Amino acid sequence: GENVEQHPSTLSVQEGDSAVIKCTYSDSASNYFPWYKQELGKRPQLIIDIRSNVGEKKDQRIAVTLNKTAKHFSLHITETQPEDSAVYFCAATYTGGGKLIFGQGTELSVKP
Amino acid sequence: GAVVSQHPSWVICKSGTSVKIECRSLDFQATTMFWYRQFPKQSLMLMATSNEGSKATYEQGVEKDKFLINHASLTLSTLTVTSAHPEDSSFYICSARVVEEAKNIQYFGAGTRLSVL
Repeated sequence: GENVEQHPSTLSVQEGDSAVIKCTYSDSASNYFPWYKQELGKRPQLIIDIRSNVGEKKDQRIAVTLNKTAKHFSLHITETQPEDSAVYFCAATYTGGGKLIFGQGTELSVKP
Repeated sequence: GAVVSQHPSWVICKSGTSVKIECRSLDFQATTMFWYRQFPKQSLMLMATSNEGSKATYEQGVEKDKFLINHASLTLSTLTVTSAHPEDSSFYICSARVVEEAKNIQYFGAGTRLSVL
């Protein structure tokens, strides 16, 4: 079945630095890759997503890149701020399937 | 984004009792909803897929008689934890699926923290 591997499990950066989280998926049929941010005790919130027909997407300080050949996708956060501290989850799915397969999560800590 | 409401947010119950959790899509219709369980500092574990008007599809290892799912309308799915025991204590989260621009987007409820004494 589909599997999504996410690294690193924890990431600590200084405010203003960049943070990169990487995911690898196994099912070549996957064509939609969302990223969720979850603060402690709160709901996961969709922050950015990318479809398989696009290689890169950017929204202000966050960007996602996708390498279909290598089955890799990554989240990039620039100019990190303390409020970016949270757990980030990558996920993969395919049109018609509906089920999201989540990565293990990355706990990002941004130190002031 | 779409809004998903989940109630209650927190429940404490005695061992052996049943607990019902509601998941509602507030501003859209959702033929498919999902139920997850999340342990501290871990990822979301899919328990089942809830389909309006039909039986839920459970993931391997999830007891369907233990976790009853009812999706009776296009805006409401319920999860009932029957005869709850302390090992059922967890954070349960629902989501509703919306298809936008050929993307299967899931919007999540705020979660229910269940504590079984």
